[in-house]
Amino acid sequence: NAGVTQTPKFRILKIGQSMTLQCTQDMNHNYMYWYRQDPGMGLKLIYYSVGAGITDKGEVPNGYNVSRSTTEDFPLRLELAAPSQTSVYFCASSYTRRGSAEAFFGQGTRLTVV
Amino acid sequence: AQTVTQSQPEMSVQEAETVTLSCTYDTSESDYYLFWYKQPPSRQMILVIRQEAYKQQNATENRFSVNFQKAAKSFSLKISDSQLGDAAMYFCAYRSPTYNNNDMRFGAGTRLTVKP
Repeated sequence: NAGVTQTPKFRILKIGQSMTLQCTQDMNHNYMYWYRQDPGMGLKLIYYSVGAGITDKGEVPNGYNVSRSTTEDFPLRLELAAPSQTSVYFCASSYTRRGSAEAFFGQGTRLTVV
Repeated sequence: AQTVTQSQPEMSVQEAETVTLSCTYDTSESDYYLFWYKQPPSRQMILVIRQEAYKQQNATENRFSVNFQKAAKSFSLKISDSQLGDAAMYFCAYRSPTYNNNDMRFGAGTRLTVKP
């Protein structure tokens, strides 16, 4: 059981470049999330999705876009990369919106913008 | 918005000893959910334990237990019989039960070192 798979694991971007972080889950979860983790900080929510075709902004959405065309995939798009987007990005999914539901995380993507 | 504070950036413990990691949170809600996640060097976030605020009994998972003090808004994690594999970053997280807010708020984390 693969769980939540993120690609790539590492990436270096130049300022102004664009890229897509891929996220796939094989648990048939409706709810998916993108977080960023900055050094010395907890995870902050960028975007989330409650099902195919439905996405919404989290706490720090500026500079990012998402789409959810299938239940399995939830890619995160960075347009015009900036040094402030240097971070570790985590994709997560959960089965239900019940508050006690566990979120399953991918292994993260370490992105450096230079 | 709810905030989660972990006041110990780093902690260390001797193998086989017990260590307690602190977490406090700020909320005006009466019902909510609390979590401890472990992040080893592999970066994979792994759920350690969770607590529902309406349950007075402290959650326990094998060597891991919590001390949930609702009035004090405190949610500490106790690791007993520490093992080398427990070395990791530990994050405390809060989730609101509000239907339209599915955001999990995380603390800044505590780095735990286990000494052999």
